[in-house]
Amino acid sequence: KAGVTQTPRYLIKTRGQQVTLSCSPISGHRSVSWYQQTPGQGLQFLFEYFSETQRNKGNFPGRFSGRQFSNSRSEMNVSTLELGDSALYLCASRLGLPSTDTQYFGPGTRLTVL
Amino acid sequence: AQRVTQPEKLLSVFKGAPVELKCNYSYSGSPELFWYVQYSRQRLQLLLRHISRESIKGFTADLNKGETSFHLKKPFAQEEDSAMYYCARYAGNNRKLIWGLGTSLAVNP
Repeated sequence: KAGVTQTPRYLIKTRGQQVTLSCSPISGHRSVSWYQQTPGQGLQFLFEYFSETQRNKGNFPGRFSGRQFSNSRSEMNVSTLELGDSALYLCASRLGLPSTDTQYFGPGTRLTVL
Repeated sequence: AQRVTQPEKLLSVFKGAPVELKCNYSYSGSPELFWYVQYSRQRLQLLLRHISRESIKGFTADLNKGETSFHLKKPFAQEEDSAMYYCARYAGNNRKLIWGLGTSLAVNP
């Protein structure tokens, strides 16, 4: 089975711009979660989608948004980029919502905001 | 706020020595705890979860509710264990995964 894929792998943007990141889950997985990873804050949960609906949300401003399509692929969008948004954005997929379902992580998208 | 604390940023041991990576969590009923590992140039992956009470790659972790700890242990470290280790737990009814900042384990020959 192919693993979780994320595109693009690297991205450079300037302050004020917006960005869209994409995540394709493992085939058959219906849940996709997004995380932000920075050296200072570590891994922080952004949101989780299941069956095209946002099920859980972390403590991030409204500039961070996401969506999930009928094929379970997910996108996250960050508008009005700030320098502090520079981070590795990780996506993880799992079969469903139970905590017993293992999360499988993608390689991440490295976003740099100049 | 619910927290996961990994007090050591870096842990360095020699091959064959015992290793213990510490994880403490803020008290909250019945926590669901996990250890994830990231080897160099690989993806983050689940190592073990406390409900399974399993041993993976020689690692075990015991939930100690009295001390609110979930330390990861291995009796004899191997060089291939060198990696970044993260402790995580599900928090609250909305099931967010809360992460520690990670411990970098270096196993020296």
